[in-house]
Amino acid sequence: DSGVTQTPKHLITATGQRVTLRCSPRSGDLSVYWYQQSLDQGLQFLIQYYNGEERAKGNILERFSAQQFPDLHSELNLSSLELGDSALYFCASSSGDRGGGTNEKLFFGSGTQLSVL
Amino acid sequence: GQQVMQIPQYQHVQEGEDFTTYCNSSTTLSNIQWYKQRPGGHPVFLIQLVKSGEVKKQKRLTFQFGEAKKNSSLHITATQTTDVGTYFCRAPYYGQNFVFGPGTRLSVLP
Repeated sequence: DSGVTQTPKHLITATGQRVTLRCSPRSGDLSVYWYQQSLDQGLQFLIQYYNGEERAKGNILERFSAQQFPDLHSELNLSSLELGDSALYFCASSSGDRGGGTNEKLFFGSGTQLSVL
Repeated sequence: GQQVMQIPQYQHVQEGEDFTTYCNSSTTLSNIQWYKQRPGGHPVFLIQLVKSGEVKKQKRLTFQFGEAKKNSSLHITATQTTDVGTYFCRAPYYGQNFVFGPGTRLSVLP
């Protein structure tokens, strides 16, 4: 058990809908990352938060947004869903040193499998 | 921009054979990490390499960081069925963010 909790584990929805994925980082970790993994594909970085503030942005679509709350949990909001958004969404956390995180080891949650029908 | 490449994309080995995956960067890296993702699972951190020419071992796994710090390798001696999964390297991108390589998927035939 990595200590990172993601809910829900599975989500089935229709095109055009909006969903929210939730992540609770490991106790004490300040950084939260979101990744998208399509079937048999690699890990595409979406966005990172550190202590409530956006730290880095990857290939995140404008239809997607995220935030990190004061209690450090994070939510990833996906709207106007398309078939191509079906994927496994991972959250990861790290301690998030203030120096830019060049040595951050990531702990991943079990992921949320999103199916858009 | 920086790209991190991994070869091979897929590798099928007979149980007991050795396996090596390579991670190559177009630029010098400050450090590199390796992760393993079992089928149906989530990525799990294996190791981090920082120094030029660094070699680290974990049981049957040997990790190397190139002298020029542009490439790294993961070698598994005498593979077992428990080694099945996808191995990813992760490297700094523009000093602030990190990118994962595309991964090498290992299949081990019993």
